[in-house]
Amino acid sequence: RKEVEQDPGPFNVPEGATVAFNCTYSNSASQSFFWYRQDCRKEPKLLMSVYSSGNEDGRFTAQLNRASQYISLLIRDSKLSDSATYLCVVIFHGANNLFFGTGTRLTVIP
Amino acid sequence: AAGVIQSPRHLIKEKRETATLKCYPIPRHDTVYWYQQGPGQDPQFLISFYEKMQSDKGSIPDRFSAQQFSDYHSELNMSSLELGDSALYFCASSSRLAEGTQYFGPGTRLTVL
Repeated sequence: RKEVEQDPGPFNVPEGATVAFNCTYSNSASQSFFWYRQDCRKEPKLLMSVYSSGNEDGRFTAQLNRASQYISLLIRDSKLSDSATYLCVVIFHGANNLFFGTGTRLTVIP
Repeated sequence: AAGVIQSPRHLIKEKRETATLKCYPIPRHDTVYWYQQGPGQDPQFLISFYEKMQSDKGSIPDRFSAQQFSDYHSELNMSSLELGDSALYFCASSSRLAEGTQYFGPGTRLTVL
């Protein structure tokens, strides 16, 4: 079982839709959480960090539930440019490397 | 702003050959990470260096080795290449003060024939 699990999708949504991705992690000693975005054949890029209090960056909202070991990402008013793979990422306590989920593929349709 | 530089961008090798991948981190970043991403897979952590010392080791095969030099650039050396080593190899760098904010290079696409 992977340490970080995501629904691989694909999610195909029309422009303007709201879409939510979920992620679960197995290690309760996890300490830091992120969402990264990866376009096809490109490098992963940090989208946003995820905090227990929840955080928002424009159309993107991230939530963390430590008790349930669950992370979410909400994208409002989807744009064509949001089409990408969204990777849930965790840093476990005592480590400094990133553990990636399998990624969720999003396609926003005109 | 300067980004992580990786070279070469593409590399084709035959089985049992060796390959060396180079990574130049963002200036003033003290930590370098190597990740391997196979086709359709998520990136897997291989190894990391902090201030030129190995700091963490992941699923790096014994056939691979890496080091970080005095100018902070890093090299990943791969020997006895196998078909299964074909993948995208990403280098990332960060400041120890912000480990989760890792900046990835464009990757080296290695194809083993």
